[in-house]
Amino acid sequence: NAGVTQTPKFRVLKTGQSMTLLCAQDMNHEYMYWYRQDPGMGLRLIHYSVGEGTTAKGEVPDGYNVSRLKKQNFLLGLESAAPSQTSVYFCASSYPDTYEQYFGPGTRLTVT
Amino acid sequence: AQSVTQLGSHVSVSEGALVLLRCNYSSSVPPYLFWYVQYPNQGLQLLLKYTTGATLVKGINGFEAEFKKSETSFHLTKPSAHMSDAAEYFCAVRSGGAQKLVFGQGTRLTINP
Repeated sequence: NAGVTQTPKFRVLKTGQSMTLLCAQDMNHEYMYWYRQDPGMGLRLIHYSVGEGTTAKGEVPDGYNVSRLKKQNFLLGLESAAPSQTSVYFCASSYPDTYEQYFGPGTRLTVT
Repeated sequence: AQSVTQLGSHVSVSEGALVLLRCNYSSSVPPYLFWYVQYPNQGLQLLLKYTTGATLVKGINGFEAEFKKSETSFHLTKPSAHMSDAAEYFCAVRSGGAQKLVFGQGTRLTINP
């Protein structure tokens, strides 16, 4: 039981490049989330999903897209990376009605 | 809209001393409140949560928090700090459906030997 895993762990992009971050969970959770963590700002919700095939915008969705084609996977895409997207990205998942989110180990992204 | 304010971005205590991390919230609905801990280079882990019922909530690793509605607070305490408690701590409040959370800015706890 691996819990929540994220791929890759580290990435450096040049401005304008694109990439996809992969989140996978093996707990059969319905809900999945993508956050970004910046110093002094806590975690901010980018996008979330309440089930396979569904996605919704969070607090800071601009510049990101997501997809949830399979229940266990939640992809976060950056179509044209900007230096402002330099951050640590966390994925989380949860069952409905528990309010306990399980977090992955994070992806550290640097955009130069 | 819901919001969380953590007082003090950095708290330093001696090993064996009381740990007190402060959290105040704003919520337009009955609050569900959470404390998460993040150890270096790891994801967040739930310490404890308050949804309904008893206002003093006990969590893992000897931590507890008390919900005080009149003060809109949910401060985290531990009677005796241990070196392994060094981490960053985040307070969070329920925000709308889908179990969304709004997090505070975080408090980095340092333990001095």
